[in-house]
Amino acid sequence: AQKITQTQPGMFVQEKEAVTLDCTYDTSDQSYGLFWYKQPSSGEMIFLIYQGSYDEQNATEGRYSLNFQKARKSANLVISASQLGDSAMYFCAMRGQAGGTSYGKLTFGQGTILTVHP
Amino acid sequence: NAGVMQNPRHLVRRRGQEARLRCSPMKGHSHVYWYRQLPEEGLKFMVYLQKENIIDESGMPKERFSAEFPKEGPSILRIQQVVRGDSAAYFCASSPWGWGNQPQHFGDGTRLSIL
Repeated sequence: AQKITQTQPGMFVQEKEAVTLDCTYDTSDQSYGLFWYKQPSSGEMIFLIYQGSYDEQNATEGRYSLNFQKARKSANLVISASQLGDSAMYFCAMRGQAGGTSYGKLTFGQGTILTVHP
Repeated sequence: NAGVMQNPRHLVRRRGQEARLRCSPMKGHSHVYWYRQLPEEGLKFMVYLQKENIIDESGMPKERFSAEFPKEGPSILRIQQVVRGDSAAYFCASSPWGWGNQPQHFGDGTRLSIL
């Protein structure tokens, strides 16, 4: 079984500063993928960034980067130069390998509410 | 390229009625997933379908819930004899295949309210 833990129910950051949202995971799969999604107050789910378990470099997508530490089983999201529009709920999720019991489906954490202050 | 389309956006039902939630995946995507989100919680996997087949229904309640993804038409999540506890947001997602680096793209969800 897979498990995602997000220990920060809420985070606050000043506009233009960087913020790190924590995510730790547990899995018995050798190969897996880690995802971050953003859910604004309007409710839709927006894909932000992906990290594969065998990727040697940390993923980056614009202002988003993923600090992947495989030995620690952590996949923290770093948002640089925060903007007011970044205020939202952020979910970490993982998907298992083909053929495994966690194939296909995403397992989500509880989420972190990020508030960006002007 | 249209995204994942879910309808209705909001659905109100009385206890005991049936709820039908529809999902049209992105063009070219044959893998569909349904998730449920209770207030202030993360999304919980319900069922994973590929055209005409249920791949994984380990997250589906054993009774009253069913899902299908026919050869033609949208995927349907059906809840019979709804109860208050079924009130939640139901999200559908799709992907071109069930593994690898392709993210699942989500629809805007259906907010189900049970009176």
